[in-house]
Amino acid sequence: AQSVAQPEDQVNVAEGNPLTVKCTYSVSGNPYLFWYVQYPNRGLQFLLKYITGDNLVKGSYGFEAEFNKSQTSFHLKKPSALVSDSALYFCAVRDKENNFNKFYFGSGTKLNVKP
Amino acid sequence: GAVVSQHPSWVICKSGTSVKIECRSLDFQATTMFWYRQFPKQSLMLMATSNEGSKATYEQGVEKDKFLINHASLTLSTLTVTSAHPEDSSFYICSARGGTSAFFGTGELFFGEGSRLTVL
Repeated sequence: AQSVAQPEDQVNVAEGNPLTVKCTYSVSGNPYLFWYVQYPNRGLQFLLKYITGDNLVKGSYGFEAEFNKSQTSFHLKKPSALVSDSALYFCAVRDKENNFNKFYFGSGTKLNVKP
Repeated sequence: GAVVSQHPSWVICKSGTSVKIECRSLDFQATTMFWYRQFPKQSLMLMATSNEGSKATYEQGVEKDKFLINHASLTLSTLTVTSAHPEDSSFYICSARGGTSAFFGTGELFFGEGSRLTVL
């Protein structure tokens, strides 16, 4: 079965400091991994993805994520947080085994960036 | 980029009535669309997968007769909540995946802005 876990319900960081939002995955085979961001009462916006290739993936709004196969992790990072980064972040894995279209989302992590 | 439009953004209805939510892909053809439900402070729950021209595939525990999904064209899918009750109040989000062009080859989903349903 495919799944992702986000161990932190909430992450608090001061503006200007680096941020990390954690995600671990459990998949059979090579994973397709994604990060999305959701602002209040809005849909999800795509940030970045890992399909293959370089383990460090760069995405929108200065975010990046590192795929670590040995630790089965795909943590989202940003060198310098902005107050406007405050939102709900979801990690997701795409099913490549039983249903190529199905995405499995983590429970979400609320990021609070304080001025 | 790929844009998915969802309408209405907000809807309030009386218990027992039916509500239709539309999901449109504006600049691409969406062979497959997905409907999610999100409860407050929770993750997205996949309700069903709809493929253009065929019946939707519902996830376990989702009532087919309650949540009618139609994907009659490559740019439009609709979710109808029939005989709505207060427990159906939720945030419904659609997403779409295009065809096999290079632009969609890497497989990310594109999401609508969501529809907040409140059943009184």
